Amino acid sequence: AQSVTQLDSQVPVFEEAPVELRCNYSSSVSVYLFWYVQYPNQGLQLLLKYLSGSTLVESINGFEAEFNKSQTSFHLRKPSVHISDTAEYFCAVRTYSSASKIIFGSGTRLSIRP
Amino acid sequence: GAVVSQHPSWVICKSGTSVKIECRSLDFQATTMFWYRQFPKQSLMLMATSNEGSKATYEQGVEKDKFLINHASLTLSTLTVTSAHPEDSSFYICSADTTGTSGGKAYEQYFGPGTRLTVT
Repeated sequence: AQSVTQLDSQVPVFEEAPVELRCNYSSSVSVYLFWYVQYPNQGLQLLLKYLSGSTLVESINGFEAEFNKSQTSFHLRKPSVHISDTAEYFCAVRTYSSASKIIFGSGTRLSIRP
Repeated sequence: GAVVSQHPSWVICKSGTSVKIECRSLDFQATTMFWYRQFPKQSLMLMATSNEGSKATYEQGVEKDKFLINHASLTLSTLTVTSAHPEDSSFYICSADTTGTSGGKAYEQYFGPGTRLTVT
């Protein structure tokens, strides 16, 4: 079975400050890794994903995440946040099996202070 | 591409009535769709996996007779909350699987915008 742990339920940061949202996972098999973002009263949007290859993946809006197999982590980072980044962020994993379930972490609420 | 829609986006119903929520994949075919439930400030809880042309697979603890799922075509899955009660009030989100497609989107799920159900 797979599990995802997001230790920080809330992360308050000031605008233009750097941020890291932590994600650790547990799995006996190889998995794909995802970060999703959810803005208030909206569905989930895929932020970035790791399928294979380079362990550092980037999104179009400045976020990046690095897959660390030895530490079973997939932390999300951004060097300078904006007010518009205020949202809930979910880390998730999925096995390679066809039509497998996505297992979500509990989420981290990122709140940006001006 | 890979857009998933849900209808309605919000619904208010009286206790004891049934509500149907539609999930559509607009520009791709989805053999598998998933239904989630999300309580305020919590993560998504998978309710069931819906496969086109076959019975849905429900997660443990989800009442299949209360949450009826039908996946009649490759672009439409419906969730019907039967005899709704206030405790069924929640945010329901569906997703569709793009497994098998090419171009780097393999094994990626696309999520609908969600349906907020309020039972009074």
